[in-house]
Amino acid sequence: SAVISQKPSRDICQRGTSLTIQCQVDSQVTMMFWYRQQPGQSLTLIATANQGSEATYESGFVIDKFPISRPNLTFSTLTVSNLSPEDSSIYLCSVKPGQGYQETQYFGPGTRLLVL
Amino acid sequence: DQQVKQNSPSLSVQEGRISILNCDYTNSMFDYFLWYKKYPAEGPTFLISISSIKDKNEDGRFTVFLNKSAKHLSLHIVPSQPGDSAVYFCAASRRASGTYKYIFGTGTRLKVLA
Repeated sequence: SAVISQKPSRDICQRGTSLTIQCQVDSQVTMMFWYRQQPGQSLTLIATANQGSEATYESGFVIDKFPISRPNLTFSTLTVSNLSPEDSSIYLCSVKPGQGYQETQYFGPGTRLLVL
Repeated sequence: DQQVKQNSPSLSVQEGRISILNCDYTNSMFDYFLWYKKYPAEGPTFLISISSIKDKNEDGRFTVFLNKSAKHLSLHIVPSQPGDSAVYFCAASRRASGTYKYIFGTGTRLKVLA
């Protein structure tokens, strides 16, 4: 498995501002992902963070709202831009350490965001 | 369209008894299934997985059963312990797609009563 940390663990932000969330892994991993869990909802994949290239976004999520960086194999950031109360969620980083069919993803502790 | 469903939002079980959590899916292309446990203020923790070529996988107190014809999987916890109280999510993916995307169910909150 991998040890994953996220910063910040929680934040309260004003609408219209942006929040950048950092995800750090203790070892190099092949794939990194960003998920969102809205209150009372399931986990929804936002995007796959690709090292050295643009992230791959899921339907309903766009780069202007959720810019992602992944400068190396152990670190990624997710920015939630132009915040509105609807962005209040838990944001989770996950990683897939292995190659090929070593399928399991491991999750960070999450960042709890409240937008006022 | 919810491709992965957990129809029971909550479940209460006495300590020592069996907990059975259920999950249904609609996409027959899914070929890998997982269960995660989530405590409040923590990220999901991987529990157990199963490939579509199997119908059962066991790891200690946890067993996952897969019924492909019914598009149904279940997680059995025996014996249940108070520390098992958490929200359990099932997830499905299509390994053949090469994207390794997970589709999660809505979760079942398990409460194990001492």
